[in-house]
Amino acid sequence: EPEVTQTPSHQVTQMGQEVILRCVPISNHLYFYWYRQILGQKVEFLVSFYNNEISEKSEIFDDQFSVERPDGSNFTLKIRSTKLEDSAMYFCASSEARTSGSKLFGPGTRLTVL
Amino acid sequence: EDQVTQSPEALRLQEGESSSLNCSYTVSGLRGLFWYRQDPGKGPEFLFTLYSAGEEKEKERLKATLTKKESFLHITAPKPEDSATYLCAVQAGSGANSKLTFGKGITLSVRP
Repeated sequence: EPEVTQTPSHQVTQMGQEVILRCVPISNHLYFYWYRQILGQKVEFLVSFYNNEISEKSEIFDDQFSVERPDGSNFTLKIRSTKLEDSAMYFCASSEARTSGSKLFGPGTRLTVL
Repeated sequence: EDQVTQSPEALRLQEGESSSLNCSYTVSGLRGLFWYRQDPGKGPEFLFTLYSAGEEKEKERLKATLTKKESFLHITAPKPEDSATYLCAVQAGSGANSKLTFGKGITLSVRP
């Protein structure tokens, strides 16, 4: 069964450093998303991406964040200058259709900012 | 603003003891209600999508139902392997708004 994959599974970084989180969505999916979950809190939407551009973003997704689909398979989230409060699980998700159907999530990347 | 409230926060059941998890929501224009299962340290695992009031879906020991204000996830004769956090999420709004808004989740523990 196809699945969303993410690398690395755990990333430790120093405050102020740049990090890139990588995702490989399901091959025939067209819509891509990043969510995050701070320990003990809700899963929160960050950004959605379609046709090589951002469709929607939340208030969390400020100028420190960017997304890219550098080739036909990878989807990345970059945080330019990490803050302590960026420590969280980051989940990539993808779906065939934007407004219906299942949205399948990856296993997540645990980001720890020291 | 879309709101999703799940109750109870935690539920402990004996193996075989059926129960229901509640998800109440306030949205303008529901496009879909999603149920996910999440194990500790893992990503949400898709279970169901419901689109309109009266709709029901089943998968093994799980059955999800939807009304205009809430959804229930019924667990029949649960087993210890059903222990997990169950997340409810809604997709609402205009056609360009495809994000999911999640509830806090219900942590289910099933004792053998």
